[in-house]
Amino acid sequence: DSGVTQTPKHLITATGQRVTLRCSPRSGDLSVYWYQQSLDQGLQFLIQYYNGEERAKGNILERFSAQQFPDLHSELNLSSLELGDSALYFCASSVGLRSETQYFGPGTRLLVL
Amino acid sequence: EDQVTQSPEALRLQEGESSSLNCSYTVSGLRGLFWYRQDPGKGPEFLFTLYSAGEEKEKERLKATLTKKESFLHITAPKPEDSATYLCAVLRGSNDYKLSFGAGTTVTVRA
Repeated sequence: DSGVTQTPKHLITATGQRVTLRCSPRSGDLSVYWYQQSLDQGLQFLIQYYNGEERAKGNILERFSAQQFPDLHSELNLSSLELGDSALYFCASSVGLRSETQYFGPGTRLLVL
Repeated sequence: EDQVTQSPEALRLQEGESSSLNCSYTVSGLRGLFWYRQDPGKGPEFLFTLYSAGEEKEKERLKATLTKKESFLHITAPKPEDSATYLCAVLRGSNDYKLSFGAGTTVTVRA
């Protein structure tokens, strides 16, 4: 158990809908990262937050957005969902802004029908 | 752009049959190379961080090594519970904090 929690574990929704994925980092970690894992793309970095501020962006679509709250939990919002958004979404956390070791949560499996 | 290539894609081993996984990388200023283990449908589990060429780290039957262009993950006398996908990732030495992952090597150990 990495100490990172994610909810829900599974999510089934329809195209065009909007969903919110939630992540709680390990105790004491200030950085949260979001990754998407699909069969054909592997693990892709989406976005990083540190202590409530966005710090790095990867291949995140404009339909996707994230935020980190004062209690350091983070939410990833996915809107106007398409079939191709079906994937595993992982959250990871690390101690600081420049801390290298990231610990991953169990993931949320999203299925868009 | 960072490139991380893992080989082979899949590896089938007999219990006790040692082998090595390769991770070759092209990155501007390596700040760290990471190995993770991932079981199906679960999150990656951190194994090792390597920072400089020549560094080695061990954990049970796993040993990771690093050169200037590649890293190896050696599995000594594997057991069926070592079956998993092993992921390699690199972190560049800049203000970019994202990990760039390879596609992984899926290891299956038969009893």
